[in-house]
Amino acid sequence: QSVLTQPPSASGTPGQRVTISCSGGSSNIGKNSLNWYQQLPGTAPKLLMYSYNQRPSGVPDRFSGSKSGTSASLAISGLQSEDEADYYCAVWDDSLNGRVFGGGTKLTVL
Amino acid sequence: EVQLVESGGGLVQPGGSLRLSCAASGFTFSTYVMNWVRQAPGKGLEWVSSITSSGGNIFSAASVRGRFTISRDNVKNSLFLHMDSLRDEDTAVYYCARTDTSGIDYWGQGTLVTVSS
Repeated sequence: QSVLTQPPSASGTPGQRVTISCSGGSSNIGKNSLNWYQQLPGTAPKLLMYSYNQRPSGVPDRFSGSKSGTSASLAISGLQSEDEADYYCAVWDDSLNGRVFGGGTKLTVL
Repeated sequence: EVQLVESGGGLVQPGGSLRLSCAASGFTFSTYVMNWVRQAPGKGLEWVSSITSSGGNIFSAASVRGRFTISRDNVKNSLFLHMDSLRDEDTAVYYCARTDTSGIDYWGQGTLVTVSS
């Protein structure tokens, strides 16, 4: 079981908005900066969002992030077929003294 | 351009050893925390180990502690992972990854380690 909890799957139709949640605790999300990663099939993960809601250069503004207490969310608006991928949240955990990843959410564009 | 290129993966028998390498370029390697992250076939990402910029502090997941050792050579801009007492469950793609102030920002393409008899 992952320290960070994500739904295993999410789906939406082109143009829709979908949200992926990441639930943690006081020793990780409650204290440290969280990132989101996108992993397209057969490729390495890519940084999608850092410090909860900051987009790296080149990431479309259709992607947004937020934090509330010990949970974080990734929202994708105007869903496109190329958004079909696995999405992971990750943060440093002060109790474990290590980095923890969510179990990943497989996004399907119907 | 930041580049991280892993090498050293392959097939190894249970109980065996393997050493992975990661060649870094495009940034000042000696100033960044570096990591190894793995992904078993069809599974999610699992953090393995991190090493501070000077190499003075090392952090490792409980699943590999005592068996895997992370190290770095700041002169050769290289990161290493020495893996001993390998088990079937260590089979995975191993990624080299860079950490900046907010977390991991760049990943290599990965190298596959298969533990099987």
